[in-house]
Amino acid sequence: GAGVSQTPSNKVTEKGKYVELRCDPISGHTALYWYRQSLGQGPEFLIYFQGTGAADDSGLPNDRFFAVRPEGSVSTLKIQRTERGDSAMYLCASSYRTEPLSDYTFGSGTRLTVV
Amino acid sequence: AQSVAQPEDQVNVAEGNPLTVKCTYSVSGNPYLFWYVQYPNRGLQFLLKYITGDNLVKGSYGFEAEFNKSQTSFHLKKPSALVSDSALYFCAVRDFANDYKLSFGAGTTVTVRA
Repeated sequence: GAGVSQTPSNKVTEKGKYVELRCDPISGHTALYWYRQSLGQGPEFLIYFQGTGAADDSGLPNDRFFAVRPEGSVSTLKIQRTERGDSAMYLCASSYRTEPLSDYTFGSGTRLTVV
Repeated sequence: AQSVAQPEDQVNVAEGNPLTVKCTYSVSGNPYLFWYVQYPNRGLQFLLKYITGDNLVKGSYGFEAEFNKSQTSFHLKKPSALVSDSALYFCAVRDFANDYKLSFGAGTTVTVRA
């Protein structure tokens, strides 16, 4: 597609529920990234995929968070047993390569609210 | 570890006046520096980057940034601000060791009044 698509744009869920956030990167982009932006803060790195594999998941806050990219394109961020502290904007980005010359393209994000 | 700091939470300017958004960095090795803009309920849009070369970098929408190694700064500038420039601006640095990873500042809210 023309840009990085994230669905849903907004998600409200009850504490303790399971949620899935989807990211559809730009066609041909092999690198995919998830970031989390809490209110009043800059985005924070969660996980990076190169192809199908998670090359770095060091930013995932705990084992309730998991992400997959089974075919090297669409990625899903999964959050189990959601907590109110998980409320944030979840941003996905993709790039053709990973070196600094290669620019990220960010999606519009999914705003997750846990009530 | 690489990091950036944005010392101002808010910047307010009148339309037509110069706009400056400040950023300082702390890195080991060569800095790879970026500016992004975020409009309400939207993702981040790339404005410009410094990798190497000229210290004055020109970007989108008339923005430019000056890389100053001695002051470890990378301030974003626009000679004549527009009301439509009102948004949230983030400075970021790419990690030297893991160059896929961006570390962002806390952001600066810019308000341009008519």
